Amino acid sequence: EVQLVESGGGLVQPGGSLRLSCAASGFTFSDYSMNWVRQAPGKGLEWVSYISSSSTTIYYADSVKGRFTISRDNAKSSLYLQMNSLRAEDTAVYYCAREHPGPRAFDYWGQGTLVTVSS
Amino acid sequence: DIQMTQSPSSLSASVGDRVTITCRASQSIRSYLNWYQQKPGKAPKHLIYAASSLQSGVPSRFSGSGSGTDFTLTISSLQPEDFATYYCQQSYSTPRTFGQGTKVEIK
Repeated sequence: EVQLVESGGGLVQPGGSLRLSCAASGFTFSDYSMNWVRQAPGKGLEWVSYISSSSTTIYYADSVKGRFTISRDNAKSSLYLQMNSLRAEDTAVYYCAREHPGPRAFDYWGQGTLVTVSS
Repeated sequence: DIQMTQSPSSLSASVGDRVTITCRASQSIRSYLNWYQQKPGKAPKHLIYAASSLQSGVPSRFSGSGSGTDFTLTISSLQPEDFATYYCQQSYSTPRTFGQGTKVEIK
């Protein structure tokens, strides 16, 4: 069974940093590209970042470029999101999502981890 | 960036009703269109990929159609467990933009 479990969320002050993790199991992690998607309270889904299976290709949303860094450790079947210079507008539930090759749909999602940026 | 626009933003329907949600892309995305269902407090669930292909395990009352810029998600006979918010998403290019969502509520 495919499982994605996020961790690392919490309350952080504006300007602070946080590192999210996503532990994958039930599939060969190194075969799949991965994404982070966030959802602000009461709002819709916003794609945040993408990383290819071998980390050779990385993309970011303009809203986080230069502040967030996506990475992965295929040996540990883990995905990460380092978030620096956090702002109030980064407050959201952050989901990791597996990307199916070909149609590139996000076929499996984690349960999400809440990040709250507030003083 | 490709903009995705869903309509309506919300709708009220009864169990057994046929429901159609539309999604329009700001430029052609061929068939790189996916649909997701999200219930309150839960992660999104993948329903349809490549505009019309049903994800494994998704009931056959869900169907998708379209190509280019105009797409639809249809629920042929609405069931109680289908009341949720539905999102379209394009996977043609980065950023992988989502529609704003359509909330399906009980009439």
